Amino acid sequence: QKEVEQDPGPLSVPEGAIVSLNCTYSNSAFQYFMWYRQYSRKGPELLMYTYSSGNKEDGRFTAQVDKSSKYISLFIRDSQPSDSATYLCAMKPVTSGTYKYIFGTGTRLKVLA
Amino acid sequence: NAGVTQTPKFQVLKTGQSMTLQCAQDMNHEYMSWYRQDPGMGLRLIHYSVGAGITDQGEVPNGYNVSRSTTEDFPLRLLSAAPSQTSVYFCASRQGGLDTQYFGPGTRLTVL
Repeated sequence: QKEVEQDPGPLSVPEGAIVSLNCTYSNSAFQYFMWYRQYSRKGPELLMYTYSSGNKEDGRFTAQVDKSSKYISLFIRDSQPSDSATYLCAMKPVTSGTYKYIFGTGTRLKVLA
Repeated sequence: NAGVTQTPKFQVLKTGQSMTLQCAQDMNHEYMSWYRQDPGMGLRLIHYSVGAGITDQGEVPNGYNVSRSTTEDFPLRLLSAAPSQTSVYFCASRQGGLDTQYFGPGTRLTVL
């Protein structure tokens, strides 16, 4: 079983829809959670960063962490065609000195105009 | 700032050939990493460095070597290319104490 599971999609939604992207994980030591956006043939770029449980909002994006269920989500409101990309979740344990981030496989999102 | 740059963008090798993938960053970041990205596998860490002269292995280090003689550069060497090393390779850097990684544009490598 992978430490981080992410549905590969593709997920197709109409412009303006609310999008929900999710990851589940098995390691309860994960404390830092990230969402990256990767456009086709480009490198990933950090979109959202959260620590431990709770919600974090940044414009149209909301990151949610539920540590009791080992489940994280990224919500995109008023989705735009420019949001079409692959979204990767990533996480890291709190252990000091660790430099290793575990990435999900990514969910491909298509927002249709 | 150019951020993280990688060369070449594309490369085709024959089995057994060696080559070096170049990575450079101009943000004075302490930490640099090499990942490979394969379908259905996500990003996997190959090697990383926490500063000039210091490197360590990641999750999938076999067949790859790294060195870090300067803060800016972190080349990845393929010693004897194999078809299993066909992948997209990303270099990333970050400042110590922060989790924000900056990725380069990637190198698409095909080994025949």
